[in-house]
Order: sequence, then C-alpha cells, then structure tokens
Amino acid sequence: ETGVTQSPTHLIKTRGQQVTLRCSSQSGHNTVSWYQQALGQGPQFIFQYYREEENGRGNFPPRFSGLQFPNYSSELNVNALELDDSALYLCASSLNRGNNSPLHFGNGTRLTVT
Amino acid sequence: KNEVEQSPQNLTAQEGEFITINCSYSVGISALHWLQQHPGGGIVSLFMLSSGKKKHGRLIATINIQEKHSSLHITASHPRDSAVYICAVGADKLIFGTGTRLQVFP
Repeated sequence: ETGVTQSPTHLIKTRGQQVTLRCSSQSGHNTVSWYQQALGQGPQFIFQYYREEENGRGNFPPRFSGLQFPNYSSELNVNALELDDSALYLCASSLNRGNNSPLHFGNGTRLTVT
Repeated sequence: KNEVEQSPQNLTAQEGEFITINCSYSVGISALHWLQQHPGGGIVSLFMLSSGKKKHGRLIATINIQEKHSSLHITASHPRDSAVYICAVGADKLIFGTGTRLQVFP
C-alpha cells in the first residue's frame, strides 16, 4: 500500500500570490486533514475532508480553502498569501473520520512567502 | 494556557537512558495521539490510545483519563530516537502540543 504523499516538497511564493498544495491519501482512506505548522510550534488544524465534503474547520480565514476528489486525494488552496503563511503544511489521511482510525501523515510541503 | 501542554520542552539523554515525556490536557477527549517528527518534517504516528497502556517495542504510552495526563516512555534510548515528540488530542479536529525535542547522545 502506498503512503500519504504531498507535493511539492518545497515552494517559494511572493506575498499576494496564490498557492495550491496537493495530498494523495493512503489507499483506502476516505478522510484527509490539513494542518499548518509554524516554525517551533505544534501543528494547527486547518480543515478536514470526508468523502469529498468539508467535515470541520479550524480558525483559519476563508482564503484557506480545500477540495477532496472522488479518489480521496485533496488540495489546499491559499489565496492572497501573507508572510505569516510561511510554514510546513501537513496532510494526514485516515481510514474513516472520528477517533477510531490512526492517522497517516505525509512529509509536508514547506511554503516560504517572501 | 494551552489546551495541550507537554513537558519538558527539550530533553537530552545518554544512550541507554530511560526517557519520559509528559502530556497534560484540559479538554475532554476521545483519543490521545503520540507522534514523532524528524527534522525533515514528516510525522509518524506512534500510538493512539483512549485508556490504559500500549507498548510497541521500546516505546510505552500510558494515559490517565481522570487526571487528563499521558506519558510516553522510551526504554534503552538510542541516538536514532532523537526527534520531536508531539502529543495531540481529539477526534476529527486534533489539538497539538508544541512538542518535546529529544536528543540522545552516544
């Protein structure tokens, strides 16, 4: 079985630009969660997708949006990038939503906004 | 005050030492996760537990629901255990601690 893969691994963008990050979930997993991890901090929950529908959102502005496809892969889009958006963005998939399924994380996309 | 607190923030040890990392939380939970993050950024799930104790190799995780406290123990620590260990609680929306940076020296 393939694990969770994220692309790209690194990205440099300019303030005001838009970015799309991608996540392929582990085979058979229908739930994908996105997290933002600033340097030296723990990850912060952005949102979760379950079977192509948003299933919960953290305290992030609307310029953070997402999508989940029929094959359960997912995208995170960030519009109007700000310097504080510089962070490691992590994706995690699980077999199902809720607390009975272990999480499988990707290696993250490191975004730098200049 | 953070909803999930870890201690210590940093930990150094000699190879072979017994390591304990603590996690306290203030919210009601359905599950607690212990995660390992290496310098490259990737996170590996070590344990998910909602009661009692779990063991995997040299790693042991315990949780006391009444006291809202969990511990991660590493027996016979090794330099390859050097990483950041993160505690997280919740179900669909995880709340993370800021992590404990462990360095094990030969």
